[in-house]
Amino acid sequence: GEDVEQSLFLSVREGDSSVINCTYTDSSSTYLYWYKQEPGAGLQLLTYIFSNMDMKQDQRLTVLLNKKDKHLSLRIADTQTGDSAIYFCAERYGGSQGNLIFGKGTKLSVKP
Amino acid sequence: DGGITQSPKYLFRKEGQNVTLSCEQNLNHDAMYWYRQDPGQGLRLIYYSQIVNDFQKGDIAEGYSVSREKKESFPLTVTSAQKNPTAFYLCASSINTISGANVLTFGAGSRLTVL
Repeated sequence: GEDVEQSLFLSVREGDSSVINCTYTDSSSTYLYWYKQEPGAGLQLLTYIFSNMDMKQDQRLTVLLNKKDKHLSLRIADTQTGDSAIYFCAERYGGSQGNLIFGKGTKLSVKP
Repeated sequence: DGGITQSPKYLFRKEGQNVTLSCEQNLNHDAMYWYRQDPGQGLRLIYYSQIVNDFQKGDIAEGYSVSREKKESFPLTVTSAQKNPTAFYLCASSINTISGANVLTFGAGSRLTVL
């Protein structure tokens, strides 16, 4: 079945760029998402990309998609301490239900 | 402001008791979802509903029940049959599931602890 894989931890210094990686399994056209979760809170949508796109940029966030390798990355430029959170990659199922399957999340720690 | 409200934020339950978590949305979304989050496990889908008076089981529905009598409301009952109910529960909604990006909007979550 469909699966989404992410590394569990990433640590960077304030001001550096962060790159969070994700791999997915669905080979059909689909949507891919990045969500952010701060401690004790719900998930907040950061951005999403359709699988016919290679890249999407929104201010400090850049999403890169390698469809051949089924690899998605989220780059955060000039990482700040407020970016410390768990970042979830998600993929939309094929079919009419349209449900999302989530990775286990990458905990980003930003050191001052 | 439009959004999703979950209550209570924290809930303690004794073993053998049923508890109901509330989820209300004023976004006029058709679809609603319940997820369970455990440390290091990501989000797992419990139940979802695409339309009023209809709902489907997700990946881990055993020990849970839901209802969808109103478009705005999708309460989740954690029954005594759920063997390990201590977790963080997240409710979400989306405009529709048929086409497009199906972007989910999440509530702030409810943390259930079984004593």
